[in-house]
Order: sequence, then structure tokens, then C-alpha cells
Amino acid sequence: NSKVIQTPRYLVKGQGQKAKMRCIPEKGHPVVFWYQQNKNNEFKFLINFQNQEVLQQIDMTEKRFSAECPSNSPCSLEIQSSEAGDSALYLCASSLGQQDTQYFGPGTRLLVL
Amino acid sequence: GDSVTQTEGQVALSEEDFLTIHCNYSASGYPTLFWYVQYPGEGPQLLFRASRDKEKGSSRGFEATYDKGTTSFHLRKASVQESDSAVYYCALSPNTGNYKYVFGAGTRLKVIA
Repeated sequence: NSKVIQTPRYLVKGQGQKAKMRCIPEKGHPVVFWYQQNKNNEFKFLINFQNQEVLQQIDMTEKRFSAECPSNSPCSLEIQSSEAGDSALYLCASSLGQQDTQYFGPGTRLLVL
Repeated sequence: GDSVTQTEGQVALSEEDFLTIHCNYSASGYPTLFWYVQYPGEGPQLLFRASRDKEKGSSRGFEATYDKGTTSFHLRKASVQESDSAVYYCALSPNTGNYKYVFGAGTRLKVIA
């Protein structure tokens, strides 16, 4: 079983509110990925890090999302101003290297009312 | 761009039936291929992976063989159990400097006792 920890498991926000979720990667894994899984089970890559450095991110993440992976603290993903379309399961995954297998946490389910 | 196609959206079987879920991919070179399983309320869990042509991955009675000729990685299990009911995802990692996963649409398997 994966040892990636995500908190909170559920998050309910109103439109325009900030929504912040956290991820503790598996011990020794320097690479972290964030994906959004919508109600149709489609996955969308958001951003990934190696240690504290952003490797890649999509436009949506650049504009309304902020994310970081500080040393000795959980990684975080924050939506600055939530929209109804942001309601989804947010999955964090970690790996030993960029090419290695990604191990997923249980996800944070966000509902934007 | 890279893509993964799962032709079955839903599969319903009885216990001890044979399972096949088809997965075809489109990517340059030799991507790494994965099968993940997702149970309700959880993140995707790795079943197994394969990185080379003709390599066979297997776990928990499930298996798939990497076939570069037909660009396929079909999932099979000889005798399914009710506990196998879940959503199964085929995914690829391009291994070309862009390491985010590309997921298939998922196949919902329901096994009736």
C-alpha cells in the first residue's frame, strides 16, 4: 500500500474561497506530482516538483493554483479562488525519480458549492 | 500527442470468468506502461508495469504483455473474484523528458458473486 499521505480527505468551499490541500510524499521520494481526477474519472496533470523545484505545470496551475514543496514540510496545492469546475479528486503521487513508478495517495475530494 | 485507449468502459462478469481489458497506446519510442486499480474512496494503486517489448507484468493473478508491434498492453485474469470489482486504468510514461502519466479512460469492472 502507498505511503503517500494527503490531507484533508474532504474539503468543501464556496465559490471564490481559497482551498488548500497537503501531501506528504513517500519517504525518500524527491519527485511529487499533482493530478486532478474529475467525475468522469479523467486525469489531468497539474504540476510536478523535484525537491523544491517546479519541473512542469500547466497554464491553469500557473494562473489560479499555487503549489510548493518546501524542505521538511508537506507539499501543498492551493486554489486561490475556487470555481464550481474545480470540484474533483486531487491526487498527489510521489516517485524516486522522474522516470520511476508514481505512487498515489488517497486524494483530497474538493467540493465547490 | 501521446494517448492511451481503453475500449471497454464497463465490464460485468460472474466470479471465475475470464477477464480481458484492452489497452492500446500511441507514443514514440519505448514508453513505460502501467496498470493501476482504483477502489472507491482511494487513489490508484499500481498493479504492475512493463518497460520493454515482450516484457510481461503480473500481480495478484492479473497479467499483461508489452507488445510494441500492436502497441498494446491488454490486461487479463483467468478467474475473477468479487473483490476484483474496481476501476482499472492503463497508463503510460513517455520517458522522453516529459514524465507525467497519460491515463486511459478507465474500465469499471463489476464481478457478481
